[in-house]
Amino acid sequence: DGGITQSPKYLFRKEGQNVTLSCEQNLNHDAMYWYRQDPGQGLRLIYYSQIVNDFQKGDIAEGYSVSREKKESFPLTVTSAQKNPTAFYLCASSSGTGDYGYTFGSGTRLTVV
Amino acid sequence: DQQVKQNSPSLSVQEGRISILNCDYTNSMFDYFLWYKKYPAEGPTFLISISSIKDKNEDGRFTVFLNKSAKHLSLHIVPSQPGDSAVYFCAASDRNAGNMLTFGGGTRLMVKP
Repeated sequence: DGGITQSPKYLFRKEGQNVTLSCEQNLNHDAMYWYRQDPGQGLRLIYYSQIVNDFQKGDIAEGYSVSREKKESFPLTVTSAQKNPTAFYLCASSSGTGDYGYTFGSGTRLTVV
Repeated sequence: DQQVKQNSPSLSVQEGRISILNCDYTNSMFDYFLWYKKYPAEGPTFLISISSIKDKNEDGRFTVFLNKSAKHLSLHIVPSQPGDSAVYFCAASDRNAGNMLTFGGGTRLMVKP
């Protein structure tokens, strides 16, 4: 079955540490996205990539970094520069064409302890 | 500047009644609209969509209405069920400018038994 997988589901990080969230898709989608959701808030775009080896900053990219070395993978690193990293992180992918919208992963909840 | 707005952060409805969730947009170039449903600690899932060439699309208990002149869309759920309790996001895209989605802030629907 095709889908998009985020891991881990829960992640705890000490202050000052970098941490990487995994996102893998086997849908053959060209485009991938990272969103952040805070309690009671909407989805805010962190980074997106529409093709391998290329990515763009979203609305709240500061303190985050990404890479897109393979079509299937779009890992997100939350760096120590991110002042308030505790949130629910969602990865999504889309074909980039057609009317299919986005397919989302099940999310990673990151907590800074 | 929010291009897609959901002005009601929450809505409470009795089981069996109609739920109406509203969404307004400002970008007249948007030509495709989607609704996503999200349960806590899960990724959003696609619910229903509508192209700007239509003014209504129906799928079972879910109907989306589009009023282009008012730049307004609404999602009707009839009859509402307790399992419909979730956060609903509307999203819009300008397909001529790629398939990036712009999301509203979400509306939390609570269906009371």
